Amino acid sequence: NAGVTQTPKFRVLKTGQSMTLLCAQDMNHEYMYWYRQDPGMGLRLIHYSVGEGTTAKGEVPDGYNVSRLKKQNFLLGLESAAPSQTSVYFCASSPLAGGPNEQFFGPGTRLTVL
Amino acid sequence: GQQVMQIPQYQHVQEGEDFTTYCNSSTTLSNIQWYKQRPGGHPVFLIQLVKSGEVKKQKRLTFQFGEAKKNSSLHITATQTTDVGTYFCAGMEYGNKLVFGAGTILRVKS
Repeated sequence: NAGVTQTPKFRVLKTGQSMTLLCAQDMNHEYMYWYRQDPGMGLRLIHYSVGEGTTAKGEVPDGYNVSRLKKQNFLLGLESAAPSQTSVYFCASSPLAGGPNEQFFGPGTRLTVL
Repeated sequence: GQQVMQIPQYQHVQEGEDFTTYCNSSTTLSNIQWYKQRPGGHPVFLIQLVKSGEVKKQKRLTFQFGEAKKNSSLHITATQTTDVGTYFCAGMEYGNKLVFGAGTILRVKS
C-alpha cells in the first residue's frame, strides 16, 4: 500500500496562475481532507469530503475549489493564485466514523506564489 | 467556532529531561488526537483519547484527557534525540473534522 500520495511535491507559481493539486489514497477511506500548514498556525482545514461526489468547506476555503469524482482521489484547485496562498498543503484521509478516527497524511506539497 | 490552544509554542530541553505540552479547547470535545511531525515530514498519528479523565501510555509518552473533555496533555519522560519534532493536538467536536492546535516544537540537546 502506498497510503496517501500527493503530486506535485513542489511548485512555484506566479500571481494569477492556476493549478491543481492531486491527492490519491489506496486505503478505501471514505473521508478525505485538504489542509494548509503555515508557521505558528498549525494545520487549517480548507475543504473536506465525506464520500465520493461530496465536498464541504472547512475553516479557510476562500480561493480554493475541490472535487471528489472518484473515491480514491481528492483534487484541490487554485483558480487564481495569490502570494497569501504560499504554504505547505497536506492531504489526509480517514475511514468511516465508528472506529479510531485517525487521519493518514500525505507527504505534502510545498507551494510558493510569487 | 471551535478553537484549540496549545502551549508552549516551543521548548528546548537537554536530553534526559522531561517535556510536557498542553492543549485547551474552547468547546467540549468528543475526542482528542495527538500527532507528531518530524522536521520536513508530515503529521503522523500517535493516539486518540475518548473518555473523560482517560490516561494512556506509549512507552515514555503519557497522554491525558481532562475530566471536562476540554483539555489534554502529552508528557514525555526522559527525552531522547529521536523525540524532536512538532507535537500537535487535534480536537474533534462532532463529525470527522479535526481542529488542530498550533503545535509545540520540541528540540532536544544532546
